[in-house]
Amino acid sequence: DTGVSQNPRHKITKRGQNVTFRCDPISEHNRLYWYRQTLGQGPEFLTYFQNEAQLEKSRLLSDRFSAERPKGSFSTLEIQRTEQGDSAMYLCASRFGVATNEKLFFGSGTQLSVL
Amino acid sequence: DAKTTQPNSMESNEEEPVHLPCNHSTISGTDYIHWYRQLPSQGPEYVIHGLTSNVNNRMASLAIAEDRKSSTLILHRATLRDAAVYYCILTDQTGANNLFFGTGTRLTVIP
Repeated sequence: DTGVSQNPRHKITKRGQNVTFRCDPISEHNRLYWYRQTLGQGPEFLTYFQNEAQLEKSRLLSDRFSAERPKGSFSTLEIQRTEQGDSAMYLCASRFGVATNEKLFFGSGTQLSVL
Repeated sequence: DAKTTQPNSMESNEEEPVHLPCNHSTISGTDYIHWYRQLPSQGPEYVIHGLTSNVNNRMASLAIAEDRKSSTLILHRATLRDAAVYYCILTDQTGANNLFFGTGTRLTVIP
């Protein structure tokens, strides 16, 4: 499978715990994005990387959130001290170029439930 | 970023054409119109995009109004697998780094 891969698919955690999600983009794609989606809403942009550099962060990305993309390959999104409001689907996407007509390829997401 | 307006939901009978409208009255001359759809329990997938001219691909057609203030995604023969949320999105030079999805149109296909 050469698509965007996300792990795990589901994560259940207790409030206050730390969680980490992984995204493996399509191999030749140098741009990687993280989105968050809550029930009934469209995906909301969190952050994106150009290779290993994190170039933009949304105001939705609080200090408890951190994302990395070492060596410009896979990416991780960590949430520290999880809160119930963090429960959502976390989506990763990648694309090759920077032109505005370039399409994004999304993974199937990680569904986080904070109890 | 220019925003779009879509109906919250639409229904279609199976094997009939579906026209999904999108209004984008504040679109600028360099904005592309993208459509993505999201099937249940999956991430969004690209459907089609265009700038000024109508576009066709194996999934759908995109009809863009002459003034570009609206567009319509056309599914020529709806199948049950087309049941999804459809998002109409504009991308401009400043917002090229992310997409603003909105809430989209939930399409229900009736067998």
